[in-house]
Amino acid sequence: NAGVTQTPKFQVLKTGQSMTLQCAQDMNHNSMYWYRQDPGMGLRLIYYSASEGTTDKGEVPNGYNVSRLNKREFSLRLESAAPSQTSVYFCASSDVGFDYGYTFGSGTRLTVV
Amino acid sequence: GQQLNQSPQSMFIQEGEDVSMNCTSSSIFNTWLWYKQEPGEGPVLLIALYKAGELTSNGRLTAQFGITRKDSFLNISASIPSDVGIYFCAGPWGDKIIFGKGTRLHILP
Repeated sequence: NAGVTQTPKFQVLKTGQSMTLQCAQDMNHNSMYWYRQDPGMGLRLIYYSASEGTTDKGEVPNGYNVSRLNKREFSLRLESAAPSQTSVYFCASSDVGFDYGYTFGSGTRLTVV
Repeated sequence: GQQLNQSPQSMFIQEGEDVSMNCTSSSIFNTWLWYKQEPGEGPVLLIALYKAGELTSNGRLTAQFGITRKDSFLNISASIPSDVGIYFCAGPWGDKIIFGKGTRLHILP
């Protein structure tokens, strides 16, 4: 099984451009998450989807939108990229009873110039 | 919001040494999780703990669920170069998991 797949792996954007980060999981998990990771800041939750059809804001949602397209796919959109959104973005998924933890993708490294 | 405090933030050790790190919270947790993130990759679950006082091993890694339920510990014995990375503690909080800021492990040759 591939687990959690993120595309693209690397992206450079100009300030003001838009883009969508894609995430898909093949584990039939109900819940999916988007995090950003910045040096010294750990993992900060942007948005999450506890189940298909629902989305909720996390710790740092400003400047982002999400879509839970179906049970497998959860996308993150930057409508007007800013340099402050330069970061590494991780998607994760979990099953009901997430005491067993999340499965993470390998990340998208985004640079906004 | 609720925070998990990890210490130390960073460690520089010699290959072959043992490593200890911990994670504390002001609130009680019923589950403690330890993740490792290698350079350029996403975090991977190493050990999950579900019971106060529990001691669980995964190879050279041993984690403990503190008896107060407000802390957890991770030990690595006889460190090797591939142990390099960031180690995160985490625990369920509401409908999601929260993470500490990580302990970055550097190993000197």
